[in-house]
Amino acid sequence: EDQVTQSPEALRLQEGESSSLNCSYTVSGLRGLFWYRQDPGKGPEFLFTLYSAGEEKEKERLKATLTKKESFLHITAPKPEDSATYLCAVQAGGTASKLTFGTGTRLQVTL
Amino acid sequence: ETGVTQTPRHLVMGMTNKKSLKCEQHLGHNAMYWYKQSAKKPLELMFVYSLEERVENNSVPSRFSPECPNSSHLFLHLHTLQPEDSALYLCASSPRLAGGGETQYFGPGTRLLVL
Repeated sequence: EDQVTQSPEALRLQEGESSSLNCSYTVSGLRGLFWYRQDPGKGPEFLFTLYSAGEEKEKERLKATLTKKESFLHITAPKPEDSATYLCAVQAGGTASKLTFGTGTRLQVTL
Repeated sequence: ETGVTQTPRHLVMGMTNKKSLKCEQHLGHNAMYWYKQSAKKPLELMFVYSLEERVENNSVPSRFSPECPNSSHLFLHLHTLQPEDSALYLCASSPRLAGGGETQYFGPGTRLLVL
């Protein structure tokens, strides 16, 4: 059974204080690992897709990396507007595009 | 309208009511999904449709009934729900199925409260 574990559950940073969020996964035949951002009361907003170990993607202050067992979302010099819940999901091989999600990391960035 | 839209955004219903959630995608995608998001739990996949055909039903109770009349629209018909069904219901779409790392794009969700 596919599993995704995210840590920490919650993280509080000061503006400008860089950190990383972790997503550990167990999946049979990884097809893709996805990062989403979710604001309260809204749907998840797509950030990145990573397909193979060693791959990295960047967008503004965010950088996602992937190994064979985990993915990291690095946040460099965060701002208050980066406050959100960050969700990680994996997709295994198969005929339906099922995503298995973690429970997320709730990030709060303060001034 | 762009992306994935959902209506209504908020819904309060009694256990004996019948209501429907609507999802529309403006991305030209062929696959659509319903997810349930409850507090402190991961998103749970409920149903998957590809080209209007249901391809997955994740052991969802029969009080939830999906309908996909075309590749742009998806409905979730609700009847005789229980208070534990209160949650955020999310619709998503992707270009196609095939398990090949297709990115799913989500709508804003419908916040459902069952009294």
